[in-house]
Amino acid sequence: SYELTQPPSVSVSPGQTASITCSGDKLGDKYACWYQQKPGQSPVLVIYQNRKRPSGIPERFSGSNSGNTATLTISGTQAMDEADYYCQAWDSSIWVFGGGTKLTVL
Amino acid sequence: EVQVVESGGGLVQPGGSLRLSCAASGFTFSSHWMHWVRQAPGKGLVWVSRINLDGSSTTYADSVKGRFTISRDNAKNTLSLQMNSLRAEDTAVYYCAREAIFAAGMDVWGKGTTVTVSS
Repeated sequence: SYELTQPPSVSVSPGQTASITCSGDKLGDKYACWYQQKPGQSPVLVIYQNRKRPSGIPERFSGSNSGNTATLTISGTQAMDEADYYCQAWDSSIWVFGGGTKLTVL
Repeated sequence: EVQVVESGGGLVQPGGSLRLSCAASGFTFSSHWMHWVRQAPGKGLVWVSRINLDGSSTTYADSVKGRFTISRDNAKNTLSLQMNSLRAEDTAVYYCAREAIFAAGMDVWGKGTTVTVSS
């Protein structure tokens, strides 16, 4: 079965750039999405089709996907961006989430 | 307002059954593929199942295949998940989610309904 691997945690200082990676076999050949989930809340789609932002998502969120790695980049990270982030892709009609990355802004 | 609202969660014994429902409103339900996603306490998101526009095509995670059945009623704007032969490891918050456009991610999520499998 297809698997996506994320680092368990990433730390970033306010105002700096945070990068969260997601690795999977030939992931660059698929579409990757990213979700943000804050404690006690439902997930929110922040990036779809590798690099597109849904309406209402700040421009500081961006995405890329090439080779075996998709990356979520948050520029000018704010305290409100502290959350768990999950990548997601689909393979042979099966949808898969990565294990999640806890982003700490300190 | 575009929203989906889950219901039907609760406490069930191992081996038991439960049926979850998801009521959709504010959008054309029949125009969107739909998903169930779950999250065990303190754990990450896990995709469970997906259904196409008219309910004729469904897919499942290996962990629930043969035990869970996803269905939809477009006339009632309702998504369902029939869960049989429940196990302790099925304990989780179950989310209903709308697929934005084909394979473009899940852009509308409910607040979830909690399923606890325990004796």
